[in-house]
Amino acid sequence: DQQVKQNSPSLSVQEGRISILNCDYTNSMFDYFLWYKKYPAEGPTFLISISSIKDKNEDGRFTVFLNKSAKHLSLHIVPSQPGDSAVYFCAAGGGATNKLIFGTGTLLAVQP
Amino acid sequence: DTGVSQDPRHKITKRGQNVTFRCDPISEHNRLYWYRQTLGQGPEFLTYFQNEAQLEKSRLLSDRFSAERPKGSFSTLEIQRTEQGDSAMYLCASSVYGTGNSYEQYFGPGTRLTVT
Repeated sequence: DQQVKQNSPSLSVQEGRISILNCDYTNSMFDYFLWYKKYPAEGPTFLISISSIKDKNEDGRFTVFLNKSAKHLSLHIVPSQPGDSAVYFCAAGGGATNKLIFGTGTLLAVQP
Repeated sequence: DTGVSQDPRHKITKRGQNVTFRCDPISEHNRLYWYRQTLGQGPEFLTYFQNEAQLEKSRLLSDRFSAERPKGSFSTLEIQRTEQGDSAMYLCASSVYGTGNSYEQYFGPGTRLTVT
């Protein structure tokens, strides 16, 4: 049972444009959500998070939006830069557990 | 702050051998997590510690796997009688329990295990 889903395995965007990465979840008990960026042969790097009491959180070029009724979150990167090219994972947690449940990732390629 | 470190970065072993990995969390972090990642998948939770207490274990953690955090600082993950299916990236993460952002976990570089 995949509780966190990233349905787009890859995304290609031109430098300077907006990148939008999407994530859906099924467990209504999740109360916080995170985005991680991962380069090959490295561990995931924390980017940005949002708790379920908010619907938006911004940090520089990165903004995460949460739509609880749709059980959907998205990560916006603007403007996109070639260095943003990596695999992006969304993760969710909450309730009685402290573990994170990860999606399968979206490979972002930012073309110069 | 040097971040989470893991040792070794790569391990190649023969089926049936035992292996042990080490994780050093960020120094002030009291929670430590182990995850496993295989190709094309996101990290999957294995277990976590708060200080030296192991508070949760996944069903993925078979009897051949054991984890310890004896003094509430570094942790070890041991796999006994390795199988080819154990080949994966083993990731360690840490966090601070008791602050507003205690759910933010910070990952190490991982240990890549290959079982031949």
